[in-house]
Amino acid sequence: DIQMTQSPSFVSASVGDRVTITCRASQDINTWLAWFQQKPGKAPKLLIYSAFILQSGVPSRFSGSGSGTDFSLTINSLQPEDFATYYCQQTDSFPHTLGQGTRLEI
Amino acid sequence: EVQLLESGGGLVQPGGSLRLSCAVSGFTSSNHAFSWVRQAPGKGLEWVATFFHGDNADSRYAESVKGRFTVSRDDSKNTLFLQMNSLRAEDTAVYYCARTIVRFFGDYWGQGTLVTVSS
Repeated sequence: DIQMTQSPSFVSASVGDRVTITCRASQDINTWLAWFQQKPGKAPKLLIYSAFILQSGVPSRFSGSGSGTDFSLTINSLQPEDFATYYCQQTDSFPHTLGQGTRLEI
Repeated sequence: EVQLLESGGGLVQPGGSLRLSCAVSGFTSSNHAFSWVRQAPGKGLEWVATFFHGDNADSRYAESVKGRFTVSRDDSKNTLFLQMNSLRAEDTAVYYCARTIVRFFGDYWGQGTLVTVSS
């Protein structure tokens, strides 16, 4: 199975900051990677797919990059509604493993 | 409007069975693969299974549920199912169904249904 490792597990930031979350795959996954945002009690929300494609309706302050084994999600100019938990998921091969999550707090 | 609505969760004893449903609307379900993802209380997301679309009625499962869980779909009723047998305490979680696009990226998700396995 492909292991997905996110870092950091927890990040504290302020409104207006720029934050970068990284995700490392244990083997090459090309660009078959998605980023999700989840708020307490809510379903995950797709932000980025295929490593860098912004999902429709997602603000442009979110961006993704990377290929192979190393990926990142960057949020520019943090807004109050961005404080949530973020997950990466690989869909290169089954099982479609997810990272352990990164909690972004004020 | 694309919507997915899970149902069928509840309290079940260890060893018991439960069938979850995911009713979809606002799109043609037969054009998409679907995935089930779960989240144990206070934990992260865990991929459970994916059911392919079209004539390829194939599916894939996480090792933790293989042989116990079965996914199926009734496109005529726009409904997906997750049959869960031999349930264990560690299966306790909120279960989400998700429509997938491109290469199994979940773009729309249901609100989730809670399954509690306890005596």
